Amino acid sequence: EAQVTQNPRYLITVTGKKLTVTCSQNMNHEYMSWYRQDPGLGLRQIYYSMNVEVTDKGDVPEGYKVSRKEKRNFPLILESPSPNQTSLYFCASSLALLAGSNEQFFGPGTRLTVL
Amino acid sequence: AQSVSQHNHHVILSEAASLELGCNYSYGGTVNLFWYVQYPGQHLQLLLKYFSGDPLVKGIKGFEAEFIKSKFSFNLRKPSVQWSDTAEYFCVFSGNTGKLIFGQGTTLQVKP
Repeated sequence: EAQVTQNPRYLITVTGKKLTVTCSQNMNHEYMSWYRQDPGLGLRQIYYSMNVEVTDKGDVPEGYKVSRKEKRNFPLILESPSPNQTSLYFCASSLALLAGSNEQFFGPGTRLTVL
Repeated sequence: AQSVSQHNHHVILSEAASLELGCNYSYGGTVNLFWYVQYPGQHLQLLLKYFSGDPLVKGIKGFEAEFIKSKFSFNLRKPSVQWSDTAEYFCVFSGNTGKLIFGQGTTLQVKP
């Protein structure tokens, strides 16, 4: 089954404790992206990757890191989480994003709470 | 700056009522437009998309949307909603940068 998986689905942590949220897709998609969803703000892009070893900042990259060593994986790293990073996070993938013309496939979401 | 705006933040309807959710974008060039739906506790799924051609596009589950270039709008419609349509709906736009820009979302609550 074609899908995007994320782990963990739920995470409660404390300020400053490094964490990684994994994302993996099995559709051989070039483009992968991370979003955070906050009430009243819709989805905002954190980072995206056009292909292996190619990553770039989205609208709200502060406090986050990513890597793309393999095509299928795109982990999101919070080196020192803070309470304002409490949010619902979605990973998405698509074929190469040419003029935004491809459907994004979304993972199930990771609900992160930073105390 | 390119942006997209959804007018209704929270809509409450009774079953069988008609639905129209407003979406406007700001960009004068060629656009790609999408509507995504997020059912409670689930991930976002594509409802429909417009790239070019017929401005009236039909999607899954009886939804449709009309692209009106002169009004910079891409409103979502459904003639008769069901309780199972309760969800959050996102209008998404992409201009010349290829970047996807999401609206704030509209929460639809359908009363049985």
